[in-house]
Amino acid sequence: GAGVSQSPRYKVAKRGQDVALRCDPISGHVSLFWYQQALGQGPEFLTYFQNEAQLDKSGLPSDRFFAERPEGSVSTLKIQRTQQEDSAVYLCASSPGPSYEQYFGPGTRLTVT
Amino acid sequence: EDKVVQSPLSLVVHEGDTVTLNCSYEVTNFRSLLWYKQEKKAPTFLFMLTSSGIEKKSGRLSSILDKKELSSILNITATQTGDSAIYLCAGHNAGGTSYGKLTFGQGTILTVHP
Repeated sequence: GAGVSQSPRYKVAKRGQDVALRCDPISGHVSLFWYQQALGQGPEFLTYFQNEAQLDKSGLPSDRFFAERPEGSVSTLKIQRTQQEDSAVYLCASSPGPSYEQYFGPGTRLTVT
Repeated sequence: EDKVVQSPLSLVVHEGDTVTLNCSYEVTNFRSLLWYKQEKKAPTFLFMLTSSGIEKKSGRLSSILDKKELSSILNITATQTGDSAIYLCAGHNAGGTSYGKLTFGQGTILTVHP
């Protein structure tokens, strides 16, 4: 079956622009996670949804970062007024529930110039 | 704060060699330890270890968890060039609203030469 998909795969933004990154989880997966991966580092947790409820947003680095999953399926990570330090790969993962293994999408590589 | 440390950070071997990758963790409300393989795209799931001392095996790859030592190892036997990748381990938090959160190590970069 289809895995986790993300779009766009690459995004170049000028400093100060707003961006929106989309994640389509595996069908039926109730848990959805966003991670940020800087070059040469492991992924770092940003936020977690169970269905449409955002249960943990402790990893969001600033109030410029906002995530939503209004219908409990597709999720969008929005970054307002992008800064150079936001340049990273943004990974989305889904799982059947919080205690199961997570399956990752291909990521969106964001470059802020 | 949860922490996962992997060693070595990089490893270069020749085809046919056996490698052992290490992972140590400090994770509150620890539930499980996961291993992923990352090439130029998404991390691909390898193993999820919940019980101590029980080896999980898939082909030439195997892994085991030691809850007493708060560590895990990933073994790859008879390495092939296709095993070249970054290997990530992650601790799985099962506490409260952090339930399900993964804390990743920095990764081990494995390079297998022909």
